[in-house]
Amino acid sequence: QLQLQESGPGLVKPSETLSLTCSVSGVSITRSNYYWGWIRQPPGKGLEWIGNIHYDGITYYSPSLKSRVLFSVDTSNNQVSLRLSSVTAADTAVYYCAGFGNYDAFDVWGQGTVVTVSS
Amino acid sequence: QSALSQPASVSGTPGQSITISCTGSRSDIGSYKLVSWYQKYPGKAPKLIIYEGSERPSGVSYRFSGSKSGNTASLTISGLQAEDEADYFCCSYAGSSTYVFGTGTQVTVL
Repeated sequence: QLQLQESGPGLVKPSETLSLTCSVSGVSITRSNYYWGWIRQPPGKGLEWIGNIHYDGITYYSPSLKSRVLFSVDTSNNQVSLRLSSVTAADTAVYYCAGFGNYDAFDVWGQGTVVTVSS
Repeated sequence: QSALSQPASVSGTPGQSITISCTGSRSDIGSYKLVSWYQKYPGKAPKLIIYEGSERPSGVSYRFSGSKSGNTASLTISGLQAEDEADYFCCSYAGSSTYVFGTGTQVTVL
């Protein structure tokens, strides 16, 4: 069964870089047809798509975050990662990793990880 | 790329049918069939309930149905139940391999 688990620091200082990892279990990310997406939800707000990455490195980013975000894949550890630079309080959110595959939609989600940007 | 517009809240009594709208533009909903809907309970991960505008993944109740007209997609919940009380989000393909989510709708079962 495909499962996702996000991990990373819960607190990041303004202007620093937020780094999160999504560990994928139940399927090898190199043998699946999935893209791996990052989505976030700021407190009291809606979901925001950050971007998608395929295991071969193909990436697609939200135009509004493109200048600050970078995805990467670690096939040996079956993980994908997100780096968001120059963070501000507006980047405070629950960050989700999700699998985009079988239904041309995000059909598998991690539990999410809370990230607070504060000094 | 602006967020899709949803009503902040919709309510209904048990057994009723309710409909949640999701309004976009010709750049997203109006041009593509890739609209999906997600159910989200507080503190939980979202769950896919509709894909490609009107299709249900296996295991999702038949009470959930989706449709699209022009730049607006809709999610209908029929036979409303207490367990349907949650937040609902739409999502649309927006071209160039990008996606946009809706603002979210809180469903209350009275």
